[in-house]
Amino acid sequence: KAGVTQTPRYLIKTRGQQVTLSCSPISGHRSVSWYQQTPGQGLQFLFEYFSETQRNKGNFPGRFSGRQFSNSRSEMNVSTLELGDSALYLCASSFESASTGNTIYFGEGSWLTVV
Amino acid sequence: AQSVTQLGSHVSVSEGALVLLRCNYSSSVPPYLFWYVQYPNQGLQLLLKYTSAATLVKGINGFEAEFKKSETSFHLTKPSAHMSDAAEYFCAVSAKGGSQGNLIFGKGTKLSVKP
Repeated sequence: KAGVTQTPRYLIKTRGQQVTLSCSPISGHRSVSWYQQTPGQGLQFLFEYFSETQRNKGNFPGRFSGRQFSNSRSEMNVSTLELGDSALYLCASSFESASTGNTIYFGEGSWLTVV
Repeated sequence: AQSVTQLGSHVSVSEGALVLLRCNYSSSVPPYLFWYVQYPNQGLQLLLKYTSAATLVKGINGFEAEFKKSETSFHLTKPSAHMSDAAEYFCAVSAKGGSQGNLIFGKGTKLSVKP
């Protein structure tokens, strides 16, 4: 079974630009979450989607947005990039089970550098 | 509200020695607890998870963790460290019965293994 796939793996953007990151979850998984990882703040939850609906949102400004498609693939977008947006962006997917709980699988991440 | 505290941002052990990485959690509802490992320039890999089925949880690569409700702890151990265990380890919590794509992570503990 293929794992969580994120593209692109590495990218460099200029301040003020926007960026779109893509995530393909494990087949059959309907929940997709996004996290930002930085040396200073650690791993922080951005948002979660389930069946094309945003179910949870972390404490990030409106410049950060996302969406999920009917095939469960997800994208996140960051507009008006700032230097502080430089980070590893991780996508995670899970197959929800109320009785056993989720096992949440992470992709390898997209490294974003803003210059 | 939930939170996770990992004691010790850096832990160094000798090869063959016991590995003990500490994690304390705070949760107002019964938690799901996770340990993830991150190797350099990679995403997060699940080591093990606690979902209340058993308090002693065995994971991959010889790691295990014990859920102690009275101590609100979920420490990670491995009897004998191997050089390949050098990585960063993250403890995380999510709410049972709630949205489980939203993981709250600790700050991480970097494990170094000396030959």
